[in-house]
Amino acid sequence: EVELVESGGDLVQPGGSLRLSCAASGFTFSSSAVSWVRQAPGQGLEWVASTSGSATDIIYADSVKGRFTISRDNSKNMVFLEMNSLRGDDTAIYYCVKSPNWGLSYFDFWGQGTLVTVSS
Amino acid sequence: EIMLTQSPATLSVSPGERVTLSCRASQSVFINLAWYQQKPGRAPRLLIYGTSTRAAGVPARFSGSKSGTEFTLTISSLQSEDFAVYFCQQYDTWPPITFGQGTRLDIK
Repeated sequence: EVELVESGGDLVQPGGSLRLSCAASGFTFSSSAVSWVRQAPGQGLEWVASTSGSATDIIYADSVKGRFTISRDNSKNMVFLEMNSLRGDDTAIYYCVKSPNWGLSYFDFWGQGTLVTVSS
Repeated sequence: EIMLTQSPATLSVSPGERVTLSCRASQSVFINLAWYQQKPGRAPRLLIYGTSTRAAGVPARFSGSKSGTEFTLTISSLQSEDFAVYFCQQYDTWPPITFGQGTRLDIK
């Protein structure tokens, strides 16, 4: 059974940093693309960043480029999202999601999400 | 960036009714469109990918189709568990991967 479990969400001040983690199981992790998708309170879905299985391909939304870094540790089946220079509009539930492969970027499995609140 | 426009924003329907939700793309995405269902307090769930292929475990009352750049999610006979928010997403031209703003199905 595929499972994605996020952690690391917290209340952080504007300008601060946070690192989210996603623990994956139940599928061939090292060959699977994984992404982060966020949802601000009461709002729609926004794609944030994606990494291919080998991490040779990494892409970001313009809204986070230069502030967020996605990475993965295939030896531990983990994906991370390092978030710096956080702003109020980064407040959201952050979901870890997987795709069937890098070229087919729909999201067939979702984690339960972790809440990031940016506020003073 | 490909924009996706979903309509209507909210739809009030009765159980047993047939429902059609629309998602219009600002340019061609071929068949590279997915639909998700989200219930309150829950993560989204993949319903449809490739315009019309149901994900594993999705009931046959859910179907997807397209005409040009307009995509449709049809629920043939609404069940109580289908009242939720539905999002479309294109994965043809990226980055960025984009979502529609969602359609909420309410009980009439």
